[in-house]
Amino acid sequence: QKEVEQNSGPLSVPEGAIASLNCTYSDRGSQSFFWYRQYSGKSPELIMFIYSNGDKEDGRFTAQLNKASQYVSLLIRDSQPSDSATYLCAVKGSNYKLTFGKGTLLTVNP
Amino acid sequence: DAGVIQSPRHEVTEMGQEVTLRCKPISGHNSLFWYRQTMMRGLELLIYFNNNVPIDDSGMPEDRFSAKMPNASFSTLKIQPSEPRDSAVYFCASSLLFSTIGPPLDQPQHFGDGTRLSIL
Repeated sequence: QKEVEQNSGPLSVPEGAIASLNCTYSDRGSQSFFWYRQYSGKSPELIMFIYSNGDKEDGRFTAQLNKASQYVSLLIRDSQPSDSATYLCAVKGSNYKLTFGKGTLLTVNP
Repeated sequence: DAGVIQSPRHEVTEMGQEVTLRCKPISGHNSLFWYRQTMMRGLELLIYFNNNVPIDDSGMPEDRFSAKMPNASFSTLKIQPSEPRDSAVYFCASSLLFSTIGPPLDQPQHFGDGTRLSIL
């Protein structure tokens, strides 16, 4: 069973702070890693994807990947109340199927 | 560009009834995925198609569930007979998968708005 683990949260940060979301995965053959944001009652929305070890930055978002540790994270700088949502980590495993974690609920307090 | 379109948005029906969920993928995408989301189990892949062919249906819970993709622009997920434990949000997603000499590469999946299904 391919597993993707996330802290369920809730993770609460003040406005303007850095939010750090973490994810571990079990399949060492995993190739692609994705972060989706899901607002309550809405569909998952792709934020970032990363394929290679290291950091990938896009605006206020930075994805970090460490394949040796089977760890992927998402940093949100200058967090805004509009960032409050559930963040889903998704991993494309060696079987090319996408497995999602159960998500971390982030609350950004004004 | 139009995104993934799902219908209906909400469905409430009594147990034992047949339920049909519909999906229109993004034009040009050749892979289509059906997911189910519940609080307990999160987002689970039920089945996915590539070029209209079912590739992996290992996530389909049981024989009461079936999915078809008669053409590149339409897919259905059918539950017959429905049971209360089927209540969930069902998402359809699509992406572009292209083959290379090595492992196939694909673009990230884009999700429809989902169908919220309640079986009474």
